[in-house]
Amino acid sequence: EVQLVESGGGLVQPGGSLRLSCAASGFTFSSYAMSWVRQAPGKGLEWVSVISGSGGSTYYADSVKGRFTISRDNSKNTLYLQMNSLRVEDTAVYYCATISSGWTYFDCWGQGTLVTVSA
Amino acid sequence: DIQMTQSPSTLSASVGDRVTITCRASQSISSWLAWYQQKPGKAPKVLIYKASSLESGVPSRFSGSGSGTEFTLTISSLQPDDFATYYCQQYNSYTWTFGQGTKVEIK
Repeated sequence: EVQLVESGGGLVQPGGSLRLSCAASGFTFSSYAMSWVRQAPGKGLEWVSVISGSGGSTYYADSVKGRFTISRDNSKNTLYLQMNSLRVEDTAVYYCATISSGWTYFDCWGQGTLVTVSA
Repeated sequence: DIQMTQSPSTLSASVGDRVTITCRASQSISSWLAWYQQKPGKAPKVLIYKASSLESGVPSRFSGSGSGTEFTLTISSLQPDDFATYYCQQYNSYTWTFGQGTKVEIK
């Protein structure tokens, strides 16, 4: 059974940094592209970033480009999101998710971790 | 960037009703469209991928259709477990975009 468990969320001041982690199990982690998707309180879903199985290719939404960095450690079956220069509008539940083999949709999701950016 | 527009934003329906949700893309996305169901406090769950392919384990009352710029999600007979928010999502050239969501409420 695929399991994705996010951690690292919390309260941070504007301009601060935070690193999220997503521990994966139940599948061959290195064979799958992975993603982060976020959801602001009471709002819809927003794709944030994607990384290939090897980690060699990364993609970002314009809203986080230059501030967030996605990475992975395939030896630890763990996905990361380093978030710098955080803004109030980055407040959201952050989900990690696997990407389908064709990279076209998000097929398995974690339970999410809440990031609150506030003074 | 490709924009996704869902309609309606809210839908009131009764158990047993046939429900249709529409999603329109601002430009052609071929069939690279997925549909998700999300319940309060829970992660989204994929229902349909590639516009009309049913994800494993999803009840057959859910179906998807369309291509190009216009897509629909249909629930043939609404069940109590189906009251939730539904999102469409497109893929194009390494960008992924969601619609704003459609909340299906009890009438």
